[in-house]
Amino acid sequence: DTGVSQDPRHKITKRGQNVTFRCDPISEHNRLYWYRQTLGQGPEFLTYFQNEAQLEKSRLLSDRFSAERPKGSFSTLEIQRTEQGDSAMYLCASSRGSGTGNTIYFGEGSWLTVV
Amino acid sequence: DQQVKQNSPSLSVQEGRISILNCDYTNSMFDYFLWYKKYPAEGPTFLISISSIKDKNEDGRFTVFLNKSAKHLSLHIVPSQPGDSAVYFCAAVSGTYKYIFGTGTRLKVLA
Repeated sequence: DTGVSQDPRHKITKRGQNVTFRCDPISEHNRLYWYRQTLGQGPEFLTYFQNEAQLEKSRLLSDRFSAERPKGSFSTLEIQRTEQGDSAMYLCASSRGSGTGNTIYFGEGSWLTVV
Repeated sequence: DQQVKQNSPSLSVQEGRISILNCDYTNSMFDYFLWYKKYPAEGPTFLISISSIKDKNEDGRFTVFLNKSAKHLSLHIVPSQPGDSAVYFCAAVSGTYKYIFGTGTRLKVLA
């Protein structure tokens, strides 16, 4: 049972450029989550997919951010026109999708540095 | 509005002794609680969880206690080991998907 996989692990980009992160969830998990974490803070919820449907987006997810999960498998998180404030670790997690009380499992994260 | 709070940013414990990490929450609708451990530059790793219908869950050296009336959660690690040194996050969820995390407690286990 492979874990949640994220790519790339690290990305340094210039302000104004676009970046895309990919997440491959645990294979039998139909729920997928994106979180963001900055230094000294806990993970903050960004968005959630059940299968291919994006069911919730946080107000943290400005219109420069877009997430997709085509076919309900892998997911991508794109940030357009990056700003220095976007520098953070972007975490993907997945869980089984039956009712409540599910444990979410995180990937290794993708570090973004905007210079 | 921080719904999940970890008021101790750091904790130091001697190897072999008990580590107690605390977490308070404000939303009485939370029905599932989790603890994660995080090393630098890695994603959080799941440790242990507890449903709101229970008051204790144990897994090896890790025990989580839930006091619903006080809206308080604690993680006990016995005995503590140097490899336990990490940042610990508690999380809570109401319903299906919005897991809310605390700001973490950095545990240092001294050899």
